[in-house]
Amino acid sequence: RKEVEQDPGPFNVPEGATVAFNCTYSNSASQSFFWYRQDCRKEPKLLMSVYSSGNEDGRFTAQLNRASQYISLLIRDSKLSDSATYLCVVNRNGGFKTIFGAGTRLFVKA
Amino acid sequence: EAGVAQSPRYKIIEKRQSVAFWCNPISGHATLYWYQQILGQGPKLLIQFQNNGVVDDSQLPKDRFSAERLKGVDSTLKIQPAKLEDSAVYLCASSSREGSPGEQYFGPGTRLTVT
Repeated sequence: RKEVEQDPGPFNVPEGATVAFNCTYSNSASQSFFWYRQDCRKEPKLLMSVYSSGNEDGRFTAQLNRASQYISLLIRDSKLSDSATYLCVVNRNGGFKTIFGAGTRLFVKA
Repeated sequence: EAGVAQSPRYKIIEKRQSVAFWCNPISGHATLYWYQQILGQGPKLLIQFQNNGVVDDSQLPKDRFSAERLKGVDSTLKIQPAKLEDSAVYLCASSSREGSPGEQYFGPGTRLTVT
């Protein structure tokens, strides 16, 4: 079993739709959590950190559920430009261990 | 602020040849990472440096891969000899001491094809 697991998708949604991704992690010692975005043939870029109380950045909302060991990313009012792969990232051991999920692919259609 | 620089951007070699990649992190970033990303997978950490010391190299295939970080700044990753399964994108990333270690900045990567 992988330490960080994501549904690979793809998720195909129309513009304006709301879409949500989940990511589960198996190590309860995981300390910090992030979502990265990766466009086709580009490098990953930090989208947002995930805080225990949940956090929002514009159309994006991230949540953490430590009891069930998952994080989520909600995208509202999807844009064509949101089409990308979304990578879940978990960090532990005081920052000395970073694990990436395999990513969830999103396609937003006109 | 300049980003993470990597070279070359593309490399094609035959199996059993050797290859080296170079990375220059963002100025002042103490931590440097090398990742391997195979098509359709997430990045896999190969090695992590804190300044010029190795923090984690548990997933580095040490029989063929080596890496060093000269004077705690730029870094090279070498593969010798290469195998077909080494075909991947090699990503370098850096993070600052002040920031969260999960907040990493990536370079554009080197796309390696082994034939």
